[in-house]
Amino acid sequence: GAVVSQHPSRVICKSGTSVKIECRSLDFQATTMFWYRQFPKKSLMLMATSNEGSKATYEQGVEKDKFLINHASLTLSTLTVTSAHPEDSSFYICSARDPRELESNEQFFGPGTRLTVL
Amino acid sequence: GQSLEQPSEVTAVEGAIVQINCTYQTSGFYGLSWYQQHDGGAPTFLSYNALDGLEETGRFSSFLSRSDSYGYLLLQELQMKDSASYFCAVRAGDYKLSFGAGTTVTVRA
Repeated sequence: GAVVSQHPSRVICKSGTSVKIECRSLDFQATTMFWYRQFPKKSLMLMATSNEGSKATYEQGVEKDKFLINHASLTLSTLTVTSAHPEDSSFYICSARDPRELESNEQFFGPGTRLTVL
Repeated sequence: GQSLEQPSEVTAVEGAIVQINCTYQTSGFYGLSWYQQHDGGAPTFLSYNALDGLEETGRFSSFLSRSDSYGYLLLQELQMKDSASYFCAVRAGDYKLSFGAGTTVTVRA
């Protein structure tokens, strides 16, 4: 199956700093990627849909100025957590669908990024 | 919006059969997916049902009844490696997924 990578896998930062997380589709081009947030033992919450070449679409309740998304190429989307605070500590996961698989509804998930804000 | 309900935990012994039910309420339904996630890992796709009926993939099967807004995932011949969290997810337009809270399956020897 298709492969999605994320970097970094783990990051610890001080309160008030910004953190950038990268999501790459390694063997396919993804015009759309999705960003999720997951708390321990909890569900995945869709934060936003990242669209190549246009603005991201944010889910209700997600601050777009807090979570900046850039999808500058067909294989890379970035999520920047700006002015991070301890409550932003979470597991952030991206996913993408391989558009070549017309009949498939499978989404491929990255390995996730564990963010800890001190 | 979407809401999905699934049991929080299931425990079973190796070789057993486990059924994880999922009921959903949604505006705009394209299909129901199932994902497996091991601790600290990425969710991996198990199955997708767009139409009523049973889909079988090896030891795992998934069922959907659109009229009942209900589906289930059936895990057969349970193995220790099947210990994980299992999520049902409703697919809306633009391939967006809304996930249930997840069911933690624990397989005992």
